[in-house]
Formats: sequence, structure tokens, C-alpha cells
Amino acid sequence: EPEVTQTPSHQVTQMGQEVILRCVPISNHLYFYWYRQILGQKVEFLVSFYNNEISEKSEIFDDQFSVERPDGSNFTLKIRSTKLEDSAMYFCASSPWGGNYNEQFFGPGTRLTVL
Amino acid sequence: GQQVMQIPQYQHVQEGEDFTTYCNSSTTLSNIQWYKQRPGGHPVFLIQLVKSGEVKKQKRLTFQFGEAKKNSSLHITATQTTDVGTYFCAGRTNAGKSTFGDGTTLTVKP
Repeated sequence: EPEVTQTPSHQVTQMGQEVILRCVPISNHLYFYWYRQILGQKVEFLVSFYNNEISEKSEIFDDQFSVERPDGSNFTLKIRSTKLEDSAMYFCASSPWGGNYNEQFFGPGTRLTVL
Repeated sequence: GQQVMQIPQYQHVQEGEDFTTYCNSSTTLSNIQWYKQRPGGHPVFLIQLVKSGEVKKQKRLTFQFGEAKKNSSLHITATQTTDVGTYFCAGRTNAGKSTFGDGTTLTVKP
């Protein structure tokens, strides 16, 4: 069964450093998402991406964040200058379509630890 | 901004008992989705409700979407130990943004 994959599974970085989290969505999916989940808390929407551009973003997704689909398979989330409060699990998700019927398939997540 | 509230935060049941979690949005939703997250795992899509008053069933799970499309519920009949995890609702607006509820963590005592 096709699945979303994410690398690395765990990233440790120093505060102020840049990190890139990578995701490979399911191959025929068109809509891509990033979410984060601080330990023990709820899942928070960061951004949605369709047709090579951001379609929606949350208040969390400020200028420190960017997303890119550099090729036909990868979808990346970059955090330019990490802060301690960026420590969280980051989930990538993809969906075959948007609109009202958009079952989202989540990847296993990347745990980001900022020291 | 949009808020999605979910209650209860925790629910402990004896195996075989029923379980219900409720989700309420501050705004009218385009649709609502339900996810299950096992400890240490990622959210797994359960179902999506789109129509006002919609009711859907998956074996022992019953999902409802309110008439005003602002609230929803998930009911599990006769819980099993495999039902443990955190159940999240996620409300989606017409703008396409998903807002997750805080989740209800279910523990089942055998």
C-alpha cells in the first residue's frame, strides 16, 4: 500500500540553525500539507500546497518557514533559524484531491529537537 | 480565528463499555474529519463527513455531523483494547484550512 515517507525520523539541531525536513508524498497525490505536534498537544496545521504554490497557511507559518517541491517527488519544509519552541513532531500529509473530499494520508513524522 | 473544541480530554473505560467524544467548532464547517493517533504514531484518517446531519458507521464506530455543520461526534460501541489512542476531529473551512481539536485520549481497561 502506498504511503507517505519522511526523513529524517529525528533531527537534532542547535538554536539558530537551518533545518530541512523532507517528505515524499504518495505518488499520484496533488495536495500536500505540513502539520506540527508539540509533545502531548494537538496537531496544528502549518501549510497546504497545491500546483507548486501555497494555498493556505496558518499564523504559525511565518517568514522563518518555507516549503518547496524541488522535483516531482519531494516536498520539503525549511525552518531558517530554529528556535527552542520549534521543537515538535512535524508531519507531512498528502491528499489525492482537495475540496470537500480530501482524505489526508500522514507520514510517520520527523521529531525535531532544538537545543 | 476558527476554534475547534473537543471534549472530554481523557476518557477511561472498561472494555465493553461505550465511548463518545464531541467536537464543536466556532464557525460553520465545510466538512469534518476524524483521525486516530496511537501513542507514538501518526494520525490515521478514519472518516470525513460533509453533509448537514450526516451519519456514517464503520463497524462499531458511528460518526455524526450536526445539522448546523458546527459540531460532530464519534461514538464507539463496546470498546476493545485495540481502540486505545487519541481521537482528533479536524474541521475544515471553505478556505481549505484544517483546524484540529485538542483530541480525546481513550484508555481501555481489559
